[in-house]
Amino acid sequence: GNSVTQMEGPVTLSEEAFLTINCTYTATGYPSLFWYVQYPGEGLQLLLKATKADDKGSNKGFEATYRKETTSFHLEKGSVQVSDSAVYFCALNSGGSNYKLTFGKGTLLTVNP
Amino acid sequence: DVKVTQSSRYLVKRTGEKVFLECVQDMDHENMFWYRQDPGLGLRLIYFSYDVKMKEKGDIPEGYSVSREKKERFSLILESASTNQTSMYLCASTPAGGPKVETQYFGPGTRLLVL
Repeated sequence: GNSVTQMEGPVTLSEEAFLTINCTYTATGYPSLFWYVQYPGEGLQLLLKATKADDKGSNKGFEATYRKETTSFHLEKGSVQVSDSAVYFCALNSGGSNYKLTFGKGTLLTVNP
Repeated sequence: DVKVTQSSRYLVKRTGEKVFLECVQDMDHENMFWYRQDPGLGLRLIYFSYDVKMKEKGDIPEGYSVSREKKERFSLILESASTNQTSMYLCASTPAGGPKVETQYFGPGTRLLVL
């Protein structure tokens, strides 16, 4: 079956530090890959996505590249801000008509000033 | 902007009570989902619905049922609440086609405490 494994947290960084959150997946076929973010007290919102191999998703300074050869979709940001403190979820959709997502367990990021 | 609303942000119920969690979306989406979120476990799919009156079990349907009588509304029902159903419940929706088809839009969540 499908599964997503992401870096366990929590991750604590100082402002302007470089961020990497690792995500690897197991899936049949050619899944689409996503990063969702959950700010404190809120629901999840889509941060970025990539739908095929070598695609790069980007948004708000975050980037992730769909690597089929390593089955990975690592999230990166060059310089984090306090406002980036949140829980980050990697997810995949392996297709079909129901658009179900399989999520990783989430990584809590805290950025200190 | 898509808006997904959930009837309560916080709810406290007693063991054995019947609990209704309501979710409403305003973008005419065909697909709707209920997840529960627990620390260290991430999001797990309880049920989803791809059309009015249509439903499918997710990964952890035991102890839950759902109702979708109107396209915009998807209800999660705990027939007899138990303490192990204390959790954060998240509703989401997505259209059946178009460029946003794979993007799930989430509500703010309902934090349920069962005593």
